Amino acid sequence: DAKTTQPPSMDCAEGRAANLPCNHSTISGNEYVYWYRQIHSQGPQYIIHGLKNNETNEMASLIITEDRKSSTLILPHATLRDTAVYYCIVTLIIFGKGTRLHILP
Amino acid sequence: NAGVTQTPKFQVLKTGQSMTLQCAQDMNHNSMYWYRQDPGMGLRLIYYSASEGTTDKGEVPNGYNVSRLNKREFSLRLESAAPSQTSVYFCASSEKFLSDYNEQFFGPGTRLTVL
Repeated sequence: DAKTTQPPSMDCAEGRAANLPCNHSTISGNEYVYWYRQIHSQGPQYIIHGLKNNETNEMASLIITEDRKSSTLILPHATLRDTAVYYCIVTLIIFGKGTRLHILP
Repeated sequence: NAGVTQTPKFQVLKTGQSMTLQCAQDMNHNSMYWYRQDPGMGLRLIYYSASEGTTDKGEVPNGYNVSRLNKREFSLRLESAAPSQTSVYFCASSEKFLSDYNEQFFGPGTRLTVL
């Protein structure tokens, strides 16, 4: 099963873009990249997903490298409410520890 | 639509007691999942039901049993609770199981403490 590697934590200043990296070097050709986030101890919340092309929705943008071995989630204007743990996953039942994002006022 | 609901929200048990965690979804999803999350850790899959009438073990099934009661409901049972089962339990559902595109929807969680 494809797995992912993320930095354990990151800081970002409020109002700036938060760029969260993820490595998924063993991803197979038909596997999507998904991003979820978990605020406090709530259930994880879906953010965005992609296969090959870059994607954008009202919450974030997802940039996937051409070889699909890594991706970056971009929160364009981070707010304090974006403080959460962000999970990058490619096999939907395998969650790692994610990246704890701290938004600094 | 309520999405995925879980009951109870909180529970304290003594070692050896049994209990059932309930989960229901109103999105007509075929697949349902139970995860546990220990402090500072990611989610680990306990059991899943790819479709009504089927259940399978996940990464950490020992000490648990499940029942897919119908398409809407998927329960998790602890027959003899142990302190190591103190955790937050999340139920999730998805339209299909491990298909190419398959978003999971999560419930609010049940916080279980075993003394």
